[in-house]
Amino acid sequence: EIVMTQSPATLSVSPGERATLSCRASQSVSRNLAWYQQRPGQAPRLLIYGASTRATDIPVRFSGSGSGTEFTLTISSLQSEDFAVYYCQQYDNWPPWTFGQGTKVEIK
Amino acid sequence: QLHLQQSGPGLVRPSETLSLTCTVSGGSITSSRYYWAWIRQPPGKGLEWIGSVGSVSYIGSTYYTPALMSRVNISVDTSKSQSSLKLSSVTAADTAVYYCARHNFMMTFGGIVDRGFDPWGLGTLVTVSS
Repeated sequence: EIVMTQSPATLSVSPGERATLSCRASQSVSRNLAWYQQRPGQAPRLLIYGASTRATDIPVRFSGSGSGTEFTLTISSLQSEDFAVYYCQQYDNWPPWTFGQGTKVEIK
Repeated sequence: QLHLQQSGPGLVRPSETLSLTCTVSGGSITSSRYYWAWIRQPPGKGLEWIGSVGSVSYIGSTYYTPALMSRVNISVDTSKSQSSLKLSSVTAADTAVYYCARHNFMMTFGGIVDRGFDPWGLGTLVTVSS
């Protein structure tokens, strides 16, 4: 099973600033990685797949990069609605499809 | 626009079977040949994929997480546009919010296509307690 590790656990950022979230895989997943956003009390929402392709209707301020074992989600200018928990998920080696433990982006 | 409506009891007694249904509307459950997944989230914790089932019957069309394989069954009823989850012999450790989602996973002649889980249902909190 591929273990996904996200860092940091919590990221404190001021509105308008850039946020950079990291995700590491226990073995190479090529570019078979997705990112999700989960706002409080809501279901997760797909942001990125293929490591860098934005899903439908996702704002351009969200961008993904990386390959192999190291991945990054960048939010270029944080809006109030972006304060949430973010999860990475690999789909290279399955089953199981596995998620990271999440990074909470909170208001500084 | 595809909509996933979840239904099922919010309280299940220990040792009994958890049963949830996900009804798909705004599109056919079979038209895209995508899979349909169940994912859970214990209170205050992260996401755990439970299993995915294909909407077209063919060999190898269901995948389960090894940790739950002996207790879980996921099926699709195309006549009702529904996916169903059954988890037997539940304990308090199975208390979680359960989500259904379309798994954008498809086997094609050119290979496997996988674009994550999207969209998701709203989730059902299932508490296991006597």
